[in-house]
Order: sequence, then C-alpha cells, then structure tokens
Amino acid sequence: QSVLTQPPSASGTPGQRVTISCSGSSSNIGSNSVHWYQHLPGTAPKLLIYRNDQRPSGVPARFSGSKSGTSASLAISGLRSEDETDYYCAAWDDSLSGYVFGPGTKVTVL
Amino acid sequence: EVQLVESGGVVVQPGGSLRLSCAASGFTFDDYAMHWVRQGPGGGLEWVSLITWDGGSTYYADSVKGRFTISRDNSKNSLYLQMNSLRVEDTALYYCVKDKYGSSWTLDPWGQGTLVTVSS
Repeated sequence: QSVLTQPPSASGTPGQRVTISCSGSSSNIGSNSVHWYQHLPGTAPKLLIYRNDQRPSGVPARFSGSKSGTSASLAISGLRSEDETDYYCAAWDDSLSGYVFGPGTKVTVL
Repeated sequence: EVQLVESGGVVVQPGGSLRLSCAASGFTFDDYAMHWVRQGPGGGLEWVSLITWDGGSTYYADSVKGRFTISRDNSKNSLYLQMNSLRVEDTALYYCVKDKYGSSWTLDPWGQGTLVTVSS
C-alpha cells in the first residue's frame, strides 16, 4: 500500500483537460518536491514534471503540475491520443528515508 | 547523450542471489546520485535504493532492507545492486536511474531495465 494516493484511472475526450490528483502527508509532499513520471508499458519511464511544476525540456506545455500542502496534481490540457498511458507521482519521504511512488493513474482517451 | 545499460537479470530460485549492473555513459558519473527502481508484474513503480555520488550514503526501501546492497565504482562508471535472499515478490523489471541534478531526488533519465524472475 503506497503512502501516496492517486485515482486508478482518469479519462477524457481529445482536446479536453484531465487532472490527476496525488495525496500524501507532511513527511512527503508536505515537505518535499513532487515529481511526475509518464510510463508507457514496454518503454522506460519518463520524467514529466519535476520540483512540483517544472517541465523538462521537450515536454509539451500541455502538461502542468501544481502542489498545495500535502497534495499535488498533474493537468493535461488539450488531451491527445498519445497521452493514453500511466502516470505516477513521487516524492521523498522523510519518515521512511526513502523515495515513494503513487500507485499510478491510467489515463484513457475516449 | 546519457546512456544507462542494465544487465544481470536472470531466472533465479527463491533464496538465491544475483548482482545487477548498470553501465553509465554520456555524463560525469561521479557527480550524480543513482537509483534503482523496479516494476513488478502488478505494474506499479517501486523505488528500491539510492546511492549518493561518492557512495557515502545509501538508502533502501523497507521491502529490500537487509537483503539488497547498492554500490558503485566511479572508476568504471558503474552502478550495482547485490540482491540476496531473493523472494518471489522480488520478480520485476529493474531500472537503473540517474539523478537529474546530482542529489535532487529527481529521477531522469531511466535505463531500459533488466528482468529478474524469482521462481522455483
């Protein structure tokens, strides 16, 4: 059981905005940066958002991140078919002295 | 271009041991912390271990603490994971991952992974 909570699934039609939530506690999200990873099965996971709201070069501006208190969220605007895959939030946990991933959210483009 | 190439994944019996390796290139290896992350049959990502740039500090997930040992050889640009007392639940694709900014705990990029199967 993960210390970070994400919805198992999210969906939208092409062009819509989809938001994925990530809930944690004071020992992880509340005191450390949140990162988001995109993972297409069969490929290496990819960093999507780091330090709560920063996009690595090459990541489209359609992806954005935010954090407030012990929760964070990933938003995908202008949803596209290639966005249909799994998304994971992650953060360092001071109590565990370890890095923790959320259980992942599968995004479906209807 | 950063390249991380994992090796060493095989089929091993429960209770057995295995050593994974990761050959790194395209960056100054001893400037960066390195991680191992795994993806089990259930599909989710699980962080396994972290080693700082100089090997001076190591961290482990509770699920592997006392059984796995992370190490590095900066002279060989290589990262290792010694896995002992393997369990069926250790079956997974193991990824070698570079820290993006040295010690930022931002995992980027990831290798392609090496498959470990623990089965009798």
